[in-house]
Amino acid sequence: EPEVTQTPSHQVTQMGQEVILRCVPISNHLYFYWYRQILGQKVEFLVSFYNNEISEKSEIFDDQFSVERPDGSNFTLKIRSTKLEDSAMYFCASREVWGQFFGPGTRLTVL
Amino acid sequence: KNEVEQSPQNLTAQEGEFITINCSYSVGISALHWLQQHPGGGIVSLFMLSSGKKKHGRLIATINIQEKHSSLHITASHPRDSAVYICAAATGQGNLIFGKGTKLSVKP
Repeated sequence: EPEVTQTPSHQVTQMGQEVILRCVPISNHLYFYWYRQILGQKVEFLVSFYNNEISEKSEIFDDQFSVERPDGSNFTLKIRSTKLEDSAMYFCASREVWGQFFGPGTRLTVL
Repeated sequence: KNEVEQSPQNLTAQEGEFITINCSYSVGISALHWLQQHPGGGIVSLFMLSSGKKKHGRLIATINIQEKHSSLHITASHPRDSAVYICAAATGQGNLIFGKGTKLSVKP
């Protein structure tokens, strides 16, 4: 059964460093999303992506964040200069008519 | 601003009990999702519904569009059902607004 994959599963970085979180959505899906979940809190929407451009973004998704679909299969989330408060679980999802399919998540720890 | 409220926040049940988790949302949506999150953090989609009722095994999800309310029912609950159950409202763009989740613990 096709699934969304994410790498790495856990990333530890120093404050101020750039990180890139990678996702491979399900191949025939057209809509892609990034969500995050700070420990103990609810999942929050970051950004949606369709037709090679951002279709919607939340207030959280400021200039420090960017997304890219560099090669038609990968979908990446870049955080330019990480802050302590960026520590969270980041989920990628892709969507078809019947619903959204989530990746297993990347746990980002900023020290 | 669309808010999604779930109740209860925590729920403990004995194996075999019938369980209901409720969800209400404040504005119009394109669909309502029920998700399951396990202790390891992974999220699994259970249902997406925009009207009526859906059933999958022991799980049943219903939605009342007029009342902006949805319920998730689990029949004959089992300890392996223990997880966090999350209601999420889909906007017109498809991105999800999540509730805080209901932590379910089913005791043998």
